[in-house]
Amino acid sequence: EPEVTQTPSHQVTQMGQEVILRCVPISNHLYFYWYRQILGQKVEFLVSFYNNEISEKSEIFDDQFSVERPDGSNFTLKIRSTKLEDSAMYFCASSFNAGAISYTFGSGTRLTVV
Amino acid sequence: DAKTTQPPSMDCAEGRAANLPCNHSTISGNEYVYWYRQIHSQGPQYIIHGLKNNETNEMASLIITEDRKSSTLILPHATLRDTAVYYCIVRVAGSGTYKYIFGTGTRLKVLA
Repeated sequence: EPEVTQTPSHQVTQMGQEVILRCVPISNHLYFYWYRQILGQKVEFLVSFYNNEISEKSEIFDDQFSVERPDGSNFTLKIRSTKLEDSAMYFCASSFNAGAISYTFGSGTRLTVV
Repeated sequence: DAKTTQPPSMDCAEGRAANLPCNHSTISGNEYVYWYRQIHSQGPQYIIHGLKNNETNEMASLIITEDRKSSTLILPHATLRDTAVYYCIVRVAGSGTYKYIFGTGTRLKVLA
């Protein structure tokens, strides 16, 4: 069964450093998403991406965040200057179309900011 | 924008039906109810979804009340591998796409 692959599985970074989280969506999917889950809290929507541009972003997704599809296979989330409160599990997801029956989520990257 | 409320935890005996409730009293008419589950250290996994009618697939059944203010996910014969956090989700329309509004989840423990 096709999978969404996320790397690394765990990343530790110093406060103020830039971090890039990487995702390889399912190959024929066209819509891409990032969600995050702070430990003990709900999974929250960050951003959706289609046709090389952001479709929608949440209020969490401020100027410190950016997304990119640098080539035909990768989808990245960049945090420019990490803060302690950015520590969370970040999930990438993809779907074939906007109204797809379901999204396929990756296993997540646990980001720890120290 | 909390859309769903769920009990934080439930236990179920192996082989018995697990009934997981969810309240979504503020759901809009065109918003779907989705259920995903998250097994430890994995990403959320799709289970089932519905709008108005009850739905069944190979994993589970979804019962939605007529007023659509609540629903129940039913795992008909729970196994130990069904131990997970189950999320009731409302899918809301956004700008050209949709987004999931997750609930806080119910931690289901299936007991041998």
